[in-house]
Amino acid sequence: EAQVTQNPRYLITVTGKKLTVTCSQNMNHEYMSWYRQDPGLGLRQIYYSMNVEVTDKGDVPEGYKVSRKEKRNFPLILESPSPNQTSLYFCASTGVTPGLAGHDEQFFGPGTRLTVL
Amino acid sequence: RKEVEQDPGPFNVPEGATVAFNCTYSNSASQSFFWYRQDCRKEPKLLMSVYSSGNEDGRFTAQLNRASQYISLLIRDSKLSDSATYLCVVNIRAGGTSYGKLTFGQGTILTVHP
Repeated sequence: EAQVTQNPRYLITVTGKKLTVTCSQNMNHEYMSWYRQDPGLGLRQIYYSMNVEVTDKGDVPEGYKVSRKEKRNFPLILESPSPNQTSLYFCASTGVTPGLAGHDEQFFGPGTRLTVL
Repeated sequence: RKEVEQDPGPFNVPEGATVAFNCTYSNSASQSFFWYRQDCRKEPKLLMSVYSSGNEDGRFTAQLNRASQYISLLIRDSKLSDSATYLCVVNIRAGGTSYGKLTFGQGTILTVHP
């Protein structure tokens, strides 16, 4: 089954304690992204990766790091979490819809609800 | 001005009603357009792509107006199961790649009641 998995699904932590949210996809997609979703602000892109070892900042990268050592994995790292990073996080990978050149569907993971106290 | 703006909603409609959502985008370089559906506390999922000529999928019809830079989603004969948040999504492709940056609207909440 084609899917994007994230772990953990729920996490409560304290300010300053480093954490990593893992993301893995089994669709051989080159493009992967991380988003955060906050009430009234919608989905905002944190970082994205076009391929292995190629990453770039999205709209809200401050306080986050990512790595792309393998095609299937794209972990999100919070070196020193702060309360303003309390949010719902989604990982996504992008493929190209067969027969519809130029149209890309994003597949999202189930989300990680993070609370930083 | 936000890059992608949607009707704020929420929309509360009875079963069987027809409801329409509009969405405007600011970047004329936008190249592809989508509607995603997000159920409460779940991940967004693609509902349908939006083509220049307009397209229909069962009870759902999507339209694109490039001149006015807006897209729309029409839902006919609403079902209880249509209750969700509908996200307008615009893809701005750059650099000749097949991928681009997806920008999401804030979403419009739809509640269909008996």
